[in-house]
Amino acid sequence: DQQVKQNSPSLSVQEGRISILNCDYTNSMFDYFLWYKKYPAEGPTFLISISSIKDKNEDGRFTVFLNKSAKHLSLHIVPSQPGDSAVYFCAARESGSRLTFGEGTQLTVNP
Amino acid sequence: EPEVTQTPSHQVTQMGQEVILRCVPISNHLYFYWYRQILGQKVEFLVSFYNNEISEKSEIFDDQFSVERPDGSNFTLKIRSTKLEDSAMYFCASTRTGGGSKNIQYFGAGTRLSVL
Repeated sequence: DQQVKQNSPSLSVQEGRISILNCDYTNSMFDYFLWYKKYPAEGPTFLISISSIKDKNEDGRFTVFLNKSAKHLSLHIVPSQPGDSAVYFCAARESGSRLTFGEGTQLTVNP
Repeated sequence: EPEVTQTPSHQVTQMGQEVILRCVPISNHLYFYWYRQILGQKVEFLVSFYNNEISEKSEIFDDQFSVERPDGSNFTLKIRSTKLEDSAMYFCASTRTGGGSKNIQYFGAGTRLSVL
């Protein structure tokens, strides 16, 4: 199932800098996109979402951008903090409620 | 803060045995889900459940799997005769609504199932 793809398995950034995590999708029927983060031994925790009718949603240090024509979304974290180190999953939803997940990107924020 | 609770955290079983994974969703949530993640692979949808019946299931969710909410509190996933390839982390999730912007699925910490 390649409908949602996160091409970077890992990303390393310095504390205080911007982290940009990317996600591509192929299914044009997706109407909602979500980012989850996951710490070891915990379940995915909801972070931020965006409707397909928007191109940007911001919540504190986290901003999600959606480019529908490119079928691409990105999560920006500014400024990055060591506590942000986790696996970040992009997920997408069709008109039903099942989520389709990407592979995840391991973010490491170095002090 | 309300959370989804899953038990046990780790289940070890012999191939061919039945297992039941348990979940207590957030109390005012109405939609319930099971997902699984095989080591090194993506999180995959298994099944969604609403109003005491399955609303959607994936091709993974075959006759070996079943779900129920026996007492209005627990939401269970049963695997009738486990196979080696059922070894995975199983996540339960719940949400208040089935769609729209309020459909944010909240996940439990997962049950690691090891089939020997």
